[in-house]
Amino acid sequence: QSVLTQPPSVSGAPGQRVTISCTGNSSNLGAGYDVHWYQQLPGTPPKPLIYYNNNRPSGVPDRFSGSKSDTSASLAITGLQADDEADYYCQSYDISLRSSVFGPGTKVTVL
Amino acid sequence: QLQLQESGPGLVKPSETLSLTCTVSGGSITTKNYYWSWIRQPPGEGLEWIGNIYYSGSTYYNPSLESRLTISLDASKNQFSLKLSSVIDADTAVYYCASLFGDFDYSWFDPWGQGTLVTVSS
Repeated sequence: QSVLTQPPSVSGAPGQRVTISCTGNSSNLGAGYDVHWYQQLPGTPPKPLIYYNNNRPSGVPDRFSGSKSDTSASLAITGLQADDEADYYCQSYDISLRSSVFGPGTKVTVL
Repeated sequence: QLQLQESGPGLVKPSETLSLTCTVSGGSITTKNYYWSWIRQPPGEGLEWIGNIYYSGSTYYNPSLESRLTISLDASKNQFSLKLSSVIDADTAVYYCASLFGDFDYSWFDPWGQGTLVTVSS
């Protein structure tokens, strides 16, 4: 059981906008710790997608954006494309667990 | 540009010790402010942080694994290693090494190695 919760799956048609939520508590997101997002394609390692809540690494399209407010964060994908089909994970730090923590992951399906 | 590569046995017997090494290229493992990390992913499941070792040698372990875990650093080979003792079936996973720059509690993992599957089975 992760201390960060994400929906198991989200789906959308090509071109649509989807959002993935990441909900924490007062020991992690609510304590002011930043959230980071990763995209994992099948058979590959996770790839950083968003860091420090809303920053994109070089090479990540601006179709991907992040936000954070108190104990929750979200990742938005606009202009959904077929190659966005992947698992998406949020990551933060939990002061009670003294651990980096990951959400359980959300599978994005392009209809 | 940093690159990381895991290596080690793909099969470990129950109750034995899992040992993996991560070789770092494109930078020194003793570069200030770098943490060197292990993360695992059981088949079909999510990601679990295992632990970090700081460039200075200080270690930070997931409390749920701490009693079985040793992470060490070999500067002469530019490598860091993971040892997990008394393994059980639930330790079967793809094991990734990764780096983290800056503050451990605020930063993110980048880059990652390709990962190596370790199966616990007799």
